[in-house]
Amino acid sequence: DQQVKQNSPSLSVQEGRISILNCDYTNSMFDYFLWYKKYPAEGPTFLISISSIKDKNEDGRFTVFLNKSAKHLSLHIVPSQPGDSAVYFCAASSPGTYKYIFGTGTRLKVLA
Amino acid sequence: DAGVIQSPRHEVTEMGQEVTLRCKPISGHNSLFWYRQTMMRGLELLIYFNNNVPIDDSGMPEDRFSAKMPNASFSTLKIQPSEPRDSAVYFCASSLMGEQFFGPGTRLTVL
Repeated sequence: DQQVKQNSPSLSVQEGRISILNCDYTNSMFDYFLWYKKYPAEGPTFLISISSIKDKNEDGRFTVFLNKSAKHLSLHIVPSQPGDSAVYFCAASSPGTYKYIFGTGTRLKVLA
Repeated sequence: DAGVIQSPRHEVTEMGQEVTLRCKPISGHNSLFWYRQTMMRGLELLIYFNNNVPIDDSGMPEDRFSAKMPNASFSTLKIQPSEPRDSAVYFCASSLMGEQFFGPGTRLTVL
């Protein structure tokens, strides 16, 4: 049973446009959410996070939005660059644990 | 800092053989995690340790899988006997009460 779901396995976007990656979760106890980025033959690297007390967190070109009532979060990348082409994983954790539950990932391809 | 170190980077073995994957976490980190990545299930947490003690091994798929952390700077994930369905990329990650830092992974192929 996947508690964190990324329903789009892949996404293609033109360079300079907005990329929107989506993630849904089922466990209402999750209070911390993260996005990781993974290039081929490398381990995932942390990108951005958000606590459940917020609905938005921004870091440069990357913004994460959290909609708790819908149990949905999204990652916006504006403007998208070819170097953003990677697999993006969303993850969630519950209070009092360092354990992350990851989604299956979305492969983003930014076309030059 | 060298980051999380995993060895080997690639492992090809035959069904029934024992496989041992190794991980050296970032110095000073007190939590260590083993993950498996597959196309169907994404990144699955297998087991995690805190201060060298296994905290949650509910993700370990079968008794064929075992993990140890004899000290703060070393952990192993062992599969015995290995099966073709164990073929995947296995990641180790470490953290200090927060963000997890991943190693480069070990790509395991069981023939």
